[in-house]
Amino acid sequence: DTGVSQNPRHKITKRGQNVTFRCDPISEHNRLYWYRQTLGQGPEFLTYFQNEAQLEKSRLLSDRFSAERPKGSFSTLEIQRTEQGDSAMYLCASSLVLAGNNEQFFGPGTRLTVL
Amino acid sequence: AQTVTQSQPEMSVQEAETVTLSCTYDTSESDYYLFWYKQPPSRQMILVIRQEAYKQQNATENRFSVNFQKAAKSFSLKISDSQLGDAAMYFCAYRVNPTSGTYKYIFGTGTRLKVLA
Repeated sequence: DTGVSQNPRHKITKRGQNVTFRCDPISEHNRLYWYRQTLGQGPEFLTYFQNEAQLEKSRLLSDRFSAERPKGSFSTLEIQRTEQGDSAMYLCASSLVLAGNNEQFFGPGTRLTVL
Repeated sequence: AQTVTQSQPEMSVQEAETVTLSCTYDTSESDYYLFWYKQPPSRQMILVIRQEAYKQQNATENRFSVNFQKAAKSFSLKISDSQLGDAAMYFCAYRVNPTSGTYKYIFGTGTRLKVLA
């Protein structure tokens, strides 16, 4: 078990370009979450999946953002037509549904810089 | 709407001393969970301690303990015998019981803890 991994760790892009991030959760975890963390702030929830189903989306997730988890394992987060305001750390977390176990395990994040 | 407030942007503690980080939250729910996460510089967040709201006993994990005051909606973290490795951002987080249909965490803005040698 290597924990939650995210790729790439850093991404620099120009405004208007599309970017895609990948998250690989802990292998047996069936829930996967995406958060966004801007400088000086705590993580803000974007969306989460249970297996392949996307069950909740924040209003922060504009129509330029799309997330998928096609086989219930890894997930991708795509941002289309990036804007400078999208610059942030994008965190992925995973958890396992167990009675009384509510811990989310976080990955190292992907830091996005939009020029 | 649920909110989490951490009013101390930065705290300092001398090595081997004790420090308390504050957290307050607002919710109309009665069943929920509270967490403290640690985020070292350029490293991923890890769970420090967890408290279930239905439990009256304060959670303890080695040098870390909480003071959970449900009526006051307060959830402070006490770090005893502070070590240099405790230096990090600390986030307080809230999660409502999943029977409400959501599993998201709501985080505070964090407290940066500096440990002085």
